[in-house]
Formats: sequence, structure tokens, C-alpha cells
Amino acid sequence: DIQMTQSPSSLSASVGDRVTITCRASQSISSYLNWYQQKPGKAPKLLIYAASTLQSGVPSRFSGSGSGTGFTLTITSLQPEDFATYYCQQSFSTLYTFGQGTKLEIK
Amino acid sequence: EVQLVESGGGLVQPGGSLRLSCAASGFTFTSYEMNWVRQAPGKGLEWVSYISSSGETMYYADSVRGRFTISRDNAKNSLYLQTNSLRAEDTAVYYCAREYSWNALDIWGQGTMVTVSS
Repeated sequence: DIQMTQSPSSLSASVGDRVTITCRASQSISSYLNWYQQKPGKAPKLLIYAASTLQSGVPSRFSGSGSGTGFTLTITSLQPEDFATYYCQQSFSTLYTFGQGTKLEIK
Repeated sequence: EVQLVESGGGLVQPGGSLRLSCAASGFTFTSYEMNWVRQAPGKGLEWVSYISSSGETMYYADSVRGRFTISRDNAKNSLYLQTNSLRAEDTAVYYCAREYSWNALDIWGQGTMVTVSS
């Protein structure tokens, strides 16, 4: 199975900050990398697919980059509603896998 | 409105079974591949199973293969997960999710809780 490793596991930031979350795959997954946001008690929400394509309705302060084994999610100018847990997911192999999550907290 | 609604969760003893359901509405169900994803209390997301739009192809995570069976009824716009030989570690919220471009999961249900305990 393809292992997905996110870093950091948690992150403290302030409103208006720029933050970057990293996701690394144990083998090349081309651009089959997706990012999700999850708030407590809610279902995950798709933010970015194909490593860098913004899902419809997602604010442009979210962006993704990378290919192969290394990927990043960047949030510019953090807003109060962005404090949540973020997951990467590979959809390259037939057995999908998620990263362990990054909890973004208010400093 | 595009929507997925899960049901069928509950409390079950170890070794027991549950059949989870997911009702789809607001889109052409027959055109989409579907998945189940679960989340244990306080833990991250774990992909569980996939089924093709026709229902002919299925995949399972190693942790559930041989115990869980995914299926769908396209006439009823419904997705199912038959869970057998349940273990304490299967305790989780189970989400159904629609597969989109590049196999991303774009629509999720609200989840149904499965608790395995004696």
C-alpha cells in the first residue's frame, strides 16, 4: 500500500498568516493527490484535487502544488473559518490512503 | 440538491453484523463510482471500500477485506456496506462518498456511527 505522511501533525497560526502543510507519498503517485478540510463533527470537504486544481466554490487563498511524491497545501491570509484539520489523500492506486491529518489551531 | 444520507449504524457486539446504507439524490447515481470511508473516534480518515458505477468492480482496505462487502442498487440510488465479524477496532463513523475527477471524493454524507462493544 502507498503510505502518505503529512507534516506537521499540528500547527498554530494567527488570522492573516500564511501556512503550508506538506504531504509525502511512499512512491510516485503522479498528480493523484487530493486535499480535504474537516471541522469537528462534520464530514470532510474536498478542497483541491489533482494536486493543484481548486474545487468549485473553494476560496482562492487555498492552493496546492507538487507531483510525484512531494505535495504542499498553502493557505494564504488565514481566515477564522480555516481553523480545522486537513488531510491529504492519494487516489493513484486502487487502495486509496489518507495522510494522518494536520490540525490547524488558532495561536 | 446533491446529497448522500447514510443510515444503519448502531451498537453491535463483537462478532456481529450491520448493513449500512447510503441514499443518493440530486445526481445521476449510475454515473458515479462510490466509496466508504471511516473515522474512529478522535482519529483520522481511513478509506474502506470502492465500487464501480456498474457494481462489477470492488476494492477493499486490507483491514476489512473478507469481512465487509460493498454493493449498490442503481435502481434504488443506493449504496450499501455489509459489515460482518465486527471488531472493537471497527468502531467509527462511516461515511459514503462520491468519486469525482481524478478519483477525488467530492460529495460526502453526514456519516453513521458504528459502535462495536459488549
